Amino acid sequence: AQSVAQPEDQVNVAEGNPLTVKCTYSVSGNPYLFWYVQYPNRGLQFLLKYITGDNLVKGSNGFEAEFNKSQTSFHLKKPSALVSDSALYFCAVRDLSGGYNKLIFGAGTRLAVHP
Amino acid sequence: NAGVTQTPKFRVLKTGQSMTLLCAQDMNHEYMYWYRQDPGMGLRLIHYSVGEGTTAKGEVPDGYNVSRLKKQNFLLGLESAAPSQTSVYFCASSYVGTYYGYTFGSGTRLTVV
Repeated sequence: AQSVAQPEDQVNVAEGNPLTVKCTYSVSGNPYLFWYVQYPNRGLQFLLKYITGDNLVKGSNGFEAEFNKSQTSFHLKKPSALVSDSALYFCAVRDLSGGYNKLIFGAGTRLAVHP
Repeated sequence: NAGVTQTPKFRVLKTGQSMTLLCAQDMNHEYMYWYRQDPGMGLRLIHYSVGEGTTAKGEVPDGYNVSRLKKQNFLLGLESAAPSQTSVYFCASSYVGTYYGYTFGSGTRLTVV
């Protein structure tokens, strides 16, 4: 069965420093990988995805993620964190069990950016 | 452009009561999903639908029923609410499958006492 793991419950980073939010996956076949962000009292918003092609995927607000097939990872990164980046981040992977496309989400990582 | 709209936004139920959560999308999406979000557990799929008149079970379907009588609406029902169903419920929709990602509603916070 497809699965995705986010090993850190929380990541703390100072504003202006680079940030990394980790995600590892387990899938059969080619993975479709996604990052979503959730701000307080809001629904999830799409950040970026990897389907095929370049291993470095760029998304909105300066975020990017690197697909690493050998390490089965899809870590989210940003060169310079902002306080406004503080939110809950979810990694997700496509699941084809049952014959239909759907997303399986990780448990989430809370990012706290301190001034 | 409303996207995905969930009603109600908040609800408190007594154990054993029933209720229906409504999800409506105006993007002509084929697929719709219901997830529940619990602390430390992320989002878990309850039920989903790949088109009008179809439904399928997800990871945690017990205690819930769904219906998709119209393409734009996906209803989640709790026949006899239990405290374990206290959660935040999110509806999402997608064009077809996962290639274009999902659009999420803003959630329904349900408390069962």
